Amino acid sequence: DGGITQSPKYLFRKEGQNVTLSCEQNLNHDAMYWYRQDPGQGLRLIYYSQIVNDFQKGDIAEGYSVSREKKESFPLTVTSAQKNPTAFYLCASSIARRKDRYGYTFGSGTRLTVV
Amino acid sequence: DQQVKQNSPSLSVQEGRISILNCDYTNSMFDYFLWYKKYPAEGPTFLISISSIKDKNEDGRFTVFLNKSAKHLSLHIVPSQPGDSAVYFCAASVQGAQKLVFGQGTRLTINP
Repeated sequence: DGGITQSPKYLFRKEGQNVTLSCEQNLNHDAMYWYRQDPGQGLRLIYYSQIVNDFQKGDIAEGYSVSREKKESFPLTVTSAQKNPTAFYLCASSIARRKDRYGYTFGSGTRLTVV
Repeated sequence: DQQVKQNSPSLSVQEGRISILNCDYTNSMFDYFLWYKKYPAEGPTFLISISSIKDKNEDGRFTVFLNKSAKHLSLHIVPSQPGDSAVYFCAASVQGAQKLVFGQGTRLTINP
């Protein structure tokens, strides 16, 4: 079955360290996205990529970096510059020109905690 | 600037009654709207959507209403069931754009 996989499910990081969250999809989707969920703030877009080797900043890109070297993979690095990194991170992918039930698929998320 | 707003953080409804979740938006360029359901520690799953050329869309117990003049949409769930207890997100997109803009979410609790 096709799907989108995020790993790890739980991640702990010491202050000052960079950490990379993995996101892999085998849906042959062109676009991939990273969202962050905080209580009371919904889902906020961090970065997105519509094609390989290209990506754009979302609404809250500061302190994050991404790469899109392969269609299937869109890893997110949370750098030490991110002032409040503790959150639930969601990766999603979508097929071009489809926004309905067949368009957007989410992973199951990674909860990052800074200790 | 919050372009999609869900002003009720939580809603509690008795089992079997109707649940009504509301969503307001400010960007008149939005032309497609979606509702997602999310359980704790899981990713959101698609529930129902509506295009701006329609004012109503039904799928089983779920109906979405769109009022473009008021820039308001609502999700009706009837009858409400315990399994409906989750966080519901409203999302919108601009024509030609693939990315979605989400609201803050409303936590729905169905009481037996």
